[in-house]
Formats: sequence, C-alpha cells, structure tokens
Amino acid sequence: DIQMTQSPSSLSASVGDRVTITCQASQGISNFLNWYQQKPGKAPKLLIYDASNLETGVPSRFSGSGSGTHFAFTISSLQPEDIATYFCQQYDHLPITFGQGTRLEIK
Amino acid sequence: EVQLVESGGGLVKPGGSLRLSCAASGFTLSAYGMNWVRQAPGKGLEWVSFISSSSRHKYFADSVKGRFTVSRDNAKNSLYLQMSSLRVDDTAVYYCARGRSGYSGPNCFDPWGQGTLVTVSS
Repeated sequence: DIQMTQSPSSLSASVGDRVTITCQASQGISNFLNWYQQKPGKAPKLLIYDASNLETGVPSRFSGSGSGTHFAFTISSLQPEDIATYFCQQYDHLPITFGQGTRLEIK
Repeated sequence: EVQLVESGGGLVKPGGSLRLSCAASGFTLSAYGMNWVRQAPGKGLEWVSFISSSSRHKYFADSVKGRFTVSRDNAKNSLYLQMSSLRVDDTAVYYCARGRSGYSGPNCFDPWGQGTLVTVSS
C-alpha cells in the first residue's frame, strides 16, 4: 500500500497567515493526489484535484502543487472559516489511501 | 442540487450484518463510479469500496474484502453496501461519495453524503 505522510499533524496560525501543509507519498504517484477539507461534524469536501486543480467554487486562496512523491497544499491568507482538518489522498494505486490529516486552528 | 443521502446505520453485534443505502439525486447516477469511505470516531479517512458505473468493476479495501459487498441500482438511483461478519473495528461513520465520470476505478470523492454511523458492539 502507498503510505501518505502529512505534515504537520496540527497547526496553529493567525488570520491572514500563509499556511502550508505537505504530503509525502511512499512511492511516486504522478499527480494523482487530491486534497479535502473536513469541518467538525461534517463530511469532507474536495478542494484540489490532480495535485493542483482548484475544484469549482473553491476560493482561490487555496492552492496545491507537486508531483511524484512530494506535494503541498497552501492557504495564501488564512480565514476564520478555514478552521478544519485537511486530508491528502492518492489514487494512483489501489488501495486508495489518505494522509492522517492536519488539524488547523486559529491562534 | 447534487445530493447523496446515506441510511441504514445502527447498532449491531459482532458477527452481525447490516445493509447501508445511499440515495442519489440531482445527477445521473449511471454515469458515475461510486465509493464508500469510512471514518472511525476521532480518526482519519479509510476508503472501503468502489463500484463502477455499470457495476462491472468492484474494488475493496483488504480490511473488508470477503465480508462486504457493493451493489447499485441505477434505475432506483441507489448505491448499497452489504456488510457481514461485522467486527468492533468496523465501527465508523460510513460515507458514500461520487467519483469522477469516465473512470473505471476510484479517483476522487466529490460530493460526499452526510454519513451514517455504524456501531459494532456487544
């Protein structure tokens, strides 16, 4: 199975900060990497697909980059409504696997 | 509006069975592969199963292979997960999630239903 390692596991930042989360795959997965946001008590929501493509309707402050084994997810200017847990997910090989999640809090 | 609504969760004893349903609306179910993803309380996400649009391709996580089956009825706009030989570690919120059209395997998950809680306990 491909292991997805997210870093950090939790993060505290101030409104307006630039925030970056990384995801490392245990083997190359090309750009078959998606990012999700999950707010407490809610289902996850797709934000970025294929490493760098912004899902329709998602604010442009969210972005993704990377290919192969190293990927990054960035919020350019943190907003209060961005408080959530973020997950990466690979679909290059079965089984589909997710990162362990990054819990983002407001400082 | 695209919507997925799961049902069928509940409390079941170890070794028991349960059937989850997912009702789809706002889109043509027959055009999309569909997935089940679960989340144990306070834990991360675990992909469970995928079924292609025509039901030709079905895939399962090793943790449920041989115990869970997946099916769909496109005419009824519904997806199902039949779970048997349930174990305590199957306790989780189970989500159905749509894949992207044109893929014969799982890819991304969008949108998700609200989830249904399955609790396996004696």
